[in-house]
Formats: sequence, C-alpha cells, structure tokens
Amino acid sequence: GAVVSQHPSRVICKSGTSVKIECRSLDFQATTMFWYRQFPKQSLMLMATSNEGSKATYEQGVEKDKFLINHASLTLSTLTVTSAHPEDSSFYICSARDVQISTGELFFGEGSRLTVL
Amino acid sequence: AQSVTQLDSQVPVFEEAPVELRCNYSSSVSVYLFWYVQYPNQGLQLLLKYLSGSTLVKGINGFEAEFNKSQTSFHLRKPSVHISDTAEYFCAVSGANQAGTALIFGKGTTLSVSS
Repeated sequence: GAVVSQHPSRVICKSGTSVKIECRSLDFQATTMFWYRQFPKQSLMLMATSNEGSKATYEQGVEKDKFLINHASLTLSTLTVTSAHPEDSSFYICSARDVQISTGELFFGEGSRLTVL
Repeated sequence: AQSVTQLDSQVPVFEEAPVELRCNYSSSVSVYLFWYVQYPNQGLQLLLKYLSGSTLVKGINGFEAEFNKSQTSFHLRKPSVHISDTAEYFCAVSGANQAGTALIFGKGTTLSVSS
C-alpha cells in the first residue's frame, strides 16, 4: 500500500520556538494532504487541507499564522508550529490521498508528538 | 456535511470472545465509510472500507463491517478477538466522489482485550 512518512516522530521544544514537521508520500503523488491534531484519548480533528502549489485551507478555529502549512511538491507538505506554547503540545498526524485512487481512502503518517516546555 | 457517532467509548472483552464496535453516520449525500485502527503513539492503519456494492465488507486481521443504509450504520465486528487487537478504533466518513475532501472521524472506541 501507499506509504506516508512523517518526521520527526517526537520533538520537544522550548516555549516560543518554532517547530517544523514534514510529511512525505513515498511511493505516490499527493495533490492533497491533510493535517490532523489529536489530543490524548480523543479523536482526530482536521486542522487544514494542504493543496500542492496553493494556499492551505484551514478549519474554523485554527490559526493560520500559527500553524503554517506549505505544500511545495506532490510528495511533501510541511507544518510549522510558530512560537509554540505548552497548549500546542499534541499529536499531529498528516495524511495523503493517492491521486491515482478515487476511493477517498487516506494514508496516514506515523504521527509527530510535540511537547512544548 | 457528514458526521460520525461511535456509540461506545470503551469496549472491554475477553480474549476469543466476539466483539462489535458501533458506528452511525449522518450525511445528506452518498458516503464512503472507513474503519481505522490506531496503536499507541502511532498513525492510523486502514482496517476496511465501504465504497459501494456488497454491504458486508471484509478487512484485515479478521475484521468485517456491514453497511446498513436504512439505519445509517457501519458496525465493525470480529468473531474472536486476540490480545493484540487492543487498540483505538476510529470510524470515518467522506462524501462519495468527493476525492478532495478530508475524512471526518468519530471520537473513537477503545477496545481492551484481556485474558
């Protein structure tokens, strides 16, 4: 099956710093990638939809200036958490859809656990 | 817009017992339905999906689900569970033929299998 790689898997940073998380589709092209956030023992909440070559579409309540998303190529999307604060600590998961498959299935990365001290 | 309700937040069962995890959805259009499994600190793995056709869908690890349009349900079942099935299970929905849209997830069901 299609593979989505996410890096780093864990990151600890100080409050006020910025953190970049990468999401790569390894064996397929993804014109659209999705970024989710998951709090402990909770479901996945969609943060934004990332489209290759255009601006991301953010869900209501998600600060676009805080969570910068860039989708520079068909295989790479990045999420940058700017000026991170402890409340940004969470599990961030990216997902991608194979443009060759029209069934709506999403392939997920392994997730990135961000801890802000 | 679509929404998903997973009726049980936690389901404890004994090993080799059958299990059913319930999922109901709401949508004004035709849907695709999915079940994903998540192990601790990992991403999501697809168990099975319903797109069209046969309402009984078989997936990996011995799981199956049945799409019931009249009841707007997509319950997940396994006839005999193993300790290794202990995980978080998510039901998800998307509009059919809406390839550019994200999946909407339920809140998840924690399946705990004990010996």
